[in-house]
Amino acid sequence: GNSVTQMEGPVTLSEEAFLTINCTYTATGYPSLFWYVQYPGEGLQLLLKATKADDKGSNKGFEATYRKETTSFHLEKGSVQVSDSAVYFCALSDRKEYGNKLVFGAGTILRVKS
Amino acid sequence: KAGVTQTPRYLIKTRGQQVTLSCSPISGHRSVSWYQQTPGQGLQFLFEYFSETQRNKGNFPGRFSGRQFSNSRSEMNVSTLELGDSALYLCASSLSHRSGLAGLETQYFGPGTRLLVL
Repeated sequence: GNSVTQMEGPVTLSEEAFLTINCTYTATGYPSLFWYVQYPGEGLQLLLKATKADDKGSNKGFEATYRKETTSFHLEKGSVQVSDSAVYFCALSDRKEYGNKLVFGAGTILRVKS
Repeated sequence: KAGVTQTPRYLIKTRGQQVTLSCSPISGHRSVSWYQQTPGQGLQFLFEYFSETQRNKGNFPGRFSGRQFSNSRSEMNVSTLELGDSALYLCASSLSHRSGLAGLETQYFGPGTRLLVL
């Protein structure tokens, strides 16, 4: 079946540090890949997505590249801010399946200290 | 454009009761999906509705059910509540097309309904 594995947190960084959150996936088909972010007390917000191999998704300084050869979609940001503190979820949607169904990783808590 | 709205935001029930949660999608969106979020199991897909029909279903018992109305608004119902049903229930909507465009669409999430079962 389909699954997503994320690095365990929490990840604690100082402001302006470089961020990497690892994400790997297993899929029977050819998935689209997503990063969602959840701030305290809120729902999920789409951060970025990529729908085919070698695509790079980017938004608000965050980037992730769809690597089919390593089945990975690692999230990176060059300089984090305190406001980036949140839970980050990697997810996939398998295009072999009809309709919409996201499979999520366990989530990675990011804490940024000033 | 208004986002996805969910009501109520918080709910306290006791074991054995039933509960109904409501979700209003973004205007024009035709697909509504439901997810359960718990500390132990993470985010899990419950079901998806499109054009008033269930299009996808996750691995949850029959106590969990849903429906979609002609205006795309959706409700989910949990009967005979158990302590383990305590969770954040998230609703997501997407534009969708009858062809499915499986996996390519972005789902937009609401703020969730936090259910506590005592």
